[in-house]
Amino acid sequence: DAGVTQSPTHLIKTRGQQVTLRCSPKSGHDTVSWYQQALGQGPQFIFQYYEEEERQRGNFPDRFSGHQFPNYSSELNVNALLLGDSALYLCASSGAGTNIQYFGAGTRLSVL
Amino acid sequence: KQEVTQIPAALSVPEGENLVLNCSFTDSAIYNLQWFRQDPGKGLTSLLLIQSSQREQTSGRLNASLDKSSGRSTLYIAASQPGDSATYLCAVPTSGTYKYIFGTGTRLKVLA
Repeated sequence: DAGVTQSPTHLIKTRGQQVTLRCSPKSGHDTVSWYQQALGQGPQFIFQYYEEEERQRGNFPDRFSGHQFPNYSSELNVNALLLGDSALYLCASSGAGTNIQYFGAGTRLSVL
Repeated sequence: KQEVTQIPAALSVPEGENLVLNCSFTDSAIYNLQWFRQDPGKGLTSLLLIQSSQREQTSGRLNASLDKSSGRSTLYIAASQPGDSATYLCAVPTSGTYKYIFGTGTRLKVLA
């Protein structure tokens, strides 16, 4: 049973560019959450998707947007990249009726 | 507003020592608490999940306790090994929301 998978593993972009990160949830899970982890910090909640809708959002600007597909996989899009967007982006999935989140290995984004 | 604090921020111990990592939270209205391990540059590995109705949970050399009334959890690692070197994070899903609030972690180094 595959766990949460994220792609790509690493990504290098320049300021002003746009990026798309992808996440496939654990089998049987219908909810996907995204987190940003800056170096030396704990992960910060970006948003959560359920039934293809954004259910809750953290304190992140509109440059951060997402999408969930009918197969429950999800994308995180970041527009107009800033140097400060350099971080590890983590995806977590959970199943119906539980708030236990399972995390993927993350995508390391470097903005130059 | 839920805040999670982890003490100490860093810890260096000789191999074989028993050690305790601390996690405190300000809002006791939680329904579980999760401890994670994170190796450098990697994603999160769940170690232990304690439901709000439980007082402790054990897995191998790890034991986690939860005291909701005092807003504290401890992770006890017995007979530490160099392979235990990592950052340990605690996280709580806050009542009424879907997001996890993380502490900033304890960086553990076990010396051979």
